[in-house]
Amino acid sequence: SAVISQKPSRDICQRGTSLTIQCQVDSQVTMMFWYRQQPGQSLTLIATANQGSEATYESGFVIDKFPISRPNLTFSTLTVSNMSPEDSSIYLCSAGSPDSNQPQHFGDGTRLSIL
Amino acid sequence: RKEVEQDPGPFNVPEGATVAFNCTYSNSASQSFFWYRQDCRKEPKLLMSVYSSGNEDGRFTAQLNRASQYISLLIRDSKLSDSATYLCVVNRGGYNKLIFGAGTRLAVHP
Repeated sequence: SAVISQKPSRDICQRGTSLTIQCQVDSQVTMMFWYRQQPGQSLTLIATANQGSEATYESGFVIDKFPISRPNLTFSTLTVSNMSPEDSSIYLCSAGSPDSNQPQHFGDGTRLSIL
Repeated sequence: RKEVEQDPGPFNVPEGATVAFNCTYSNSASQSFFWYRQDCRKEPKLLMSVYSSGNEDGRFTAQLNRASQYISLLIRDSKLSDSATYLCVVNRGGYNKLIFGAGTRLAVHP
């Protein structure tokens, strides 16, 4: 399976600031996704990062708050904008194929704390 | 009602025990099913896919009942290293969207 790296692995940020998280895959993948895992909860899909077009956001998530880039088939970024303490979470990227029978594999996550 | 429901546990079992986790899903159009394992402060890692005919991987057996919309995971001969949270995951297909259960915590003790 693909090896997926995220940077930074963790950060502590001031409210009102923005942070961009990078996700790098060691091979070309068709699909990349961004998830959020709030403390004590399971993963929730934020959006699908589409190469060469705008990301597809899930209900409750908007582009102004979570802009996503996907310039090529191995890289994506997620920005958490105008952060508040409620944004303190683990953010994870994943990669997969269009075949829904194939599992997705996850990066090691970015642990974000907002003061 | 959540789309994927799991018993949150925790399940506290001794080494060598057999433990079973259950999961139900509400969307009958769901196409594929997985069990992931998540260790504390780590990312989820695929444990196994779940097939309609049932499948086994060493000490782990997964079963799917599409009619009942029910998935199970059986762990035999539990090891201390099995301690983790087990996530039931359903893929709706279409845009390849994964829906995660809240997870079942397993603690295996000596």
